[in-house]
Amino acid sequence: GAVVSQHPSWVICKSGTSVKIECRSLDFQATTMFWYRQFPKQSLMLMATSNEGSKATYEQGVEKDKFLINHASLTLSTLTVTSAHPEDSSFYICSARVLAGVNIQYFGAGTRLSVL
Amino acid sequence: GIQVEQSPPDLILQEGANSTLRCNFSDSVNNLQWFHQNPWGQLINLFYIPSGTKQNGRLSATTVATERYSLLYISSSQTTDSGVYFCAVVEGKLIFGTGTRLQVFP
Repeated sequence: GAVVSQHPSWVICKSGTSVKIECRSLDFQATTMFWYRQFPKQSLMLMATSNEGSKATYEQGVEKDKFLINHASLTLSTLTVTSAHPEDSSFYICSARVLAGVNIQYFGAGTRLSVL
Repeated sequence: GIQVEQSPPDLILQEGANSTLRCNFSDSVNNLQWFHQNPWGQLINLFYIPSGTKQNGRLSATTVATERYSLLYISSSQTTDSGVYFCAVVEGKLIFGTGTRLQVFP
């Protein structure tokens, strides 16, 4: 149980285009999902917390107009990187917290974004 | 904010060896998790361990919350254990440690 699916796993795009990444909890409901960014050989950095039916909460220094987050249902959150530039190239990972019970997050497999 | 430091940063082992990874945190925490990030980037939950000791096969973890540290033990390491091990403290959100990169050679 507690499977989180993230798509796509790899995306290459041209500078200036927008990219959407999906995060789905497959076998549980998640009122809260999280989006992380990871640079090579570094730790995970929380970008934003996404709550179903409300606006996302962004961490300090994260541009909310650049990284649009939507959490329209209890099983789906999306991250859209708008007008992507090479400096947005990174590994993006989502996680979902189980609706009830202990505070445990389960992670998607990540999306590697390369902006040319 | 809470600082989470892990040691050693890098570890190279031969298959069959044992190892201990350490996680120090700067303030009291409600909970702590250990993760393994495999070479493809997938994070796998290993332990959810606010205190005490837990074991799962060749892996075990101990958290001493009063002294602000947690240990992850890997026994009889295998090449599939390679990757990065993160601890993360739970304070509403997860605060990840700096990670230990483990390479196990046959």
